[in-house]
Amino acid sequence: EAQVTQNPRYLITVTGKKLTVTCSQNMNHEYMSWYRQDPGLGLRQIYYSMNVEVTDKGDVPEGYKVSRKEKRNFPLILESPSPNQTSLYFCASSLYAGGGQPQHFGDGTRLSIL
Amino acid sequence: EDQVTQSPEALRLQEGESSSLNCSYTVSGLRGLFWYRQDPGKGPEFLFTLYSAGEEKEKERLKATLTKKESFLHITAPKPEDSATYLCAVNTNAGKSTFGDGTTLTVKP
Repeated sequence: EAQVTQNPRYLITVTGKKLTVTCSQNMNHEYMSWYRQDPGLGLRQIYYSMNVEVTDKGDVPEGYKVSRKEKRNFPLILESPSPNQTSLYFCASSLYAGGGQPQHFGDGTRLSIL
Repeated sequence: EDQVTQSPEALRLQEGESSSLNCSYTVSGLRGLFWYRQDPGKGPEFLFTLYSAGEEKEKERLKATLTKKESFLHITAPKPEDSATYLCAVNTNAGKSTFGDGTTLTVKP
């Protein structure tokens, strides 16, 4: 089954403790992206990757890191999480960047940072 | 700066009462306008892509249209199972995606 898999689905942690949210897709997609979704603010793009070893900042990249060493994986790293990063995070992928390619989304990761 | 604005924020309809959702956008280098549906606790699910002004797409009770500055999602004779948040998004040449804040639709039986 074609899917985008995020782990963990839920995480409660404390300020300053490094964490990684993994994202994997099995569709051989070139493009992958991370979003955060907050009440009243919609989906905001954090980082995106047009292909392996190519990453770019979205609208809200501060406090986050990403890497794209393999086509299928695009982990999101919070080196020193803070309470304002408490949010619902989505990973997405599409066949390629640009053009009319729709994105396929994971089921989300709910992060709470105390 | 790319912007996507959706209205209304929330819409309550009776079953069978048709209506429209609006998405207005300003973007440089539009490479597609997308409509997604999002159910509570789930990731957005793709509905339509529109590329150019005048284009229309239909799926069951939903019809999406596009002009140079806005898109409409028309819902004809909605059913309670159409209740969800509907998101509009634009893709640009540079690979960025910008989403609107969504319209939460509630259809009462």
